Amino acid sequence: KNQVEQSPQSLIILEGKNCTLQCNYTVSPFSNLRWYKQDTGRGPVSLTIMTFSENTKSNGRYTATLDADTKQSSLHITASQLSDSASYICVVGWLDTGFQKLVFGTGTRLLVSP
Amino acid sequence: ETGVTQTPRHLVMGMTNKKSLKCEQHLGHNAMYWYKQSAKKPLELMFVYSLEERVENNSVPSRFSPECPNSSHLFLHLHTLQPEDSALYLCASSQGTSYYEQYFGPGTRLTVT
Repeated sequence: KNQVEQSPQSLIILEGKNCTLQCNYTVSPFSNLRWYKQDTGRGPVSLTIMTFSENTKSNGRYTATLDADTKQSSLHITASQLSDSASYICVVGWLDTGFQKLVFGTGTRLLVSP
Repeated sequence: ETGVTQTPRHLVMGMTNKKSLKCEQHLGHNAMYWYKQSAKKPLELMFVYSLEERVENNSVPSRFSPECPNSSHLFLHLHTLQPEDSALYLCASSQGTSYYEQYFGPGTRLTVT
């Protein structure tokens, strides 16, 4: 069964600190992996998208890694800011007869404290 | 803003009401999606439209009825909903239905009383 699991479920860090969020997946055949940021009451916004051949991608203070062999990804946030408080959702895409389907994780809720 | 707008942002309705959710995308995309997001559960894909044709219906109850009159607009018609249908309903659009980024709207927070 195609699944995406994220850990931890929630995390509290002090402003300025770094943190790493984890994502494990069992989606096949793999097409791409995305990380989204979702503020409370808002829609998800894309941070990064990686294909099979990419093992790292950065977007400002966000750096995503992908290990397609172990089916793991991480999202590293550097020098956290209060505005980083949000849910971070790992999403894995797979192609079904040319049509892309997405499998969503339940997200990690991050709170950055002053 | 992502270029995808949704109205209303909040909706409270009784189980016997009929209401509609509206989504509009200003990105020139030709695929649109409805998702349901319940508390502590992953996003669930409900419907996909590509070039105004429905290409995916994920076993959604008939009390949810989508409509896509053109590639920029998507509606979700609601009738005789249940309290468990209370959730955040998200609309998204993309350039196509294969490897393309999906852009999400802000969602409609629906409460069924």
